[in-house]
Amino acid sequence: SQQGEEDPQALSIQEGENATMNCSYKTSINNLQWYRQNSGRGLVHLILIRSNEREKHSGRLRVTLDTSKKSSSLLITASRAADTASYFCATSRVEGDAGGTSYGKLTFGQGTILTVHP
Amino acid sequence: EAEVAQSPRYKITEKSQAVAFWCDPISGHATLYWYRQILGQGPELLVQFQDESVVDDSQLPKDRFSAERLKGVDSTLKIQPAELGDSAMYLCASSTGQGSHAWTGELFFGEGSRLTVL
Repeated sequence: SQQGEEDPQALSIQEGENATMNCSYKTSINNLQWYRQNSGRGLVHLILIRSNEREKHSGRLRVTLDTSKKSSSLLITASRAADTASYFCATSRVEGDAGGTSYGKLTFGQGTILTVHP
Repeated sequence: EAEVAQSPRYKITEKSQAVAFWCDPISGHATLYWYRQILGQGPELLVQFQDESVVDDSQLPKDRFSAERLKGVDSTLKIQPAELGDSAMYLCASSTGQGSHAWTGELFFGEGSRLTVL
């Protein structure tokens, strides 16, 4: 089961434009992360925002988090053809196993496919 | 830069055959994850280890899937017998343990093992 739902499922833009992807989730979280995946490859961590943070920047990336609406957005500014990839949000919660051990669990959304045309 | 190693990168097998995937996490990472990613979807957690112990295998089809991390380092995921619906990318990831002062919640992924069941 996947907690995050992403919108849009696919996004096609021209180089230089901004790309915005949204993520909604259902339960309380410790943090929310965004990952990128090039076709046929593994995922690469982009940015993490904690539940007590509202906005975070990293280079051309800007992430916002609204815990009251249980939603997050990822903005990529001045997009490049090399940004073409799938982008996934992932929510982190603390859960407990049968033995009472707490552990962090990361649950991914379905992803947004971003295509940036040169 | 340290990487998560996975093998094989590609595996084609016939249904009812046995398949095994291997993962070597980043040195010192206490937590190891196996995710399954069906084409066009987000990764789904199959099993999570903290050192050599399983902390979450709630989504692992235990009638045919098994996973082990005997010495708390590398790990093997096995499928026996394979079914057509098992065709997917199997991703291994690792992170520092949650109790570690270095824990950031960031997962480091390998390049994945693409399984095709005929």
